[in-house]
Amino acid sequence: QKEVEQNSGPLSVPEGAIASLNCTYSDRGSQSFFWYRQYSGKSPELIMSIYSNGDKEDGRFTAQLNKASQYVSLLIRDSQPSDSATYLCAGRAGAGSYQLTFGKGTKLSVIP
Amino acid sequence: DTAVSQTPKYLVTQMGNDKSIKCEQNLGHDTMYWYKQDSKKFLKIMFSYNNKELIINETVPNRFSPKSPDKAHLNLHINSLELGDSAVYFCASSQSRVGNQPQHFGDGTRLSIL
Repeated sequence: QKEVEQNSGPLSVPEGAIASLNCTYSDRGSQSFFWYRQYSGKSPELIMSIYSNGDKEDGRFTAQLNKASQYVSLLIRDSQPSDSATYLCAGRAGAGSYQLTFGKGTKLSVIP
Repeated sequence: DTAVSQTPKYLVTQMGNDKSIKCEQNLGHDTMYWYKQDSKKFLKIMFSYNNKELIINETVPNRFSPKSPDKAHLNLHINSLELGDSAVYFCASSQSRVGNQPQHFGDGTRLSIL
């Protein structure tokens, strides 16, 4: 069974620090990975996608993918209280796969 | 303009009733999805349609029946509602069914069964 695992947290970091969110996946065939942010009572919102090994940066966010070790991470630099949310990692297998498998999410709290 | 819109936003009803949730996307996407998010916030795929064709049908009670009249609409009908059906149901869409296409979510329908 294809699984995406995340530490459910909560993860607490002080304002201005780097928040590091991690995700591992069981399906070696997984090709595409996505990080979604979900505020309480709201819908998941896509913040990053990554398809190749290495780092991908977008503003304060950096996604990292290591296919050999089967992990994906999201770094949030200069964390702000507005970053407090649940972060969902999702993976999709390769060509022919229709399904996105979500982890259970990591709740992040940024303390002012 | 809302990209993926669901109605209703809240649905409170009694056990045994039948209800429908509607979803529409104006992104021109080919693929649409229904997810269920339970009280522990776990987001689980239920169904997916690509251009009106059912392509994902997870292990879901047959009381749940999706319908896609066209590729911009995906509705979910639930018969004989049970307490365990209480959850938030999210509709999502993606440009196509494969590859590197992210999914865009609607605001969710919060279903509460009394």
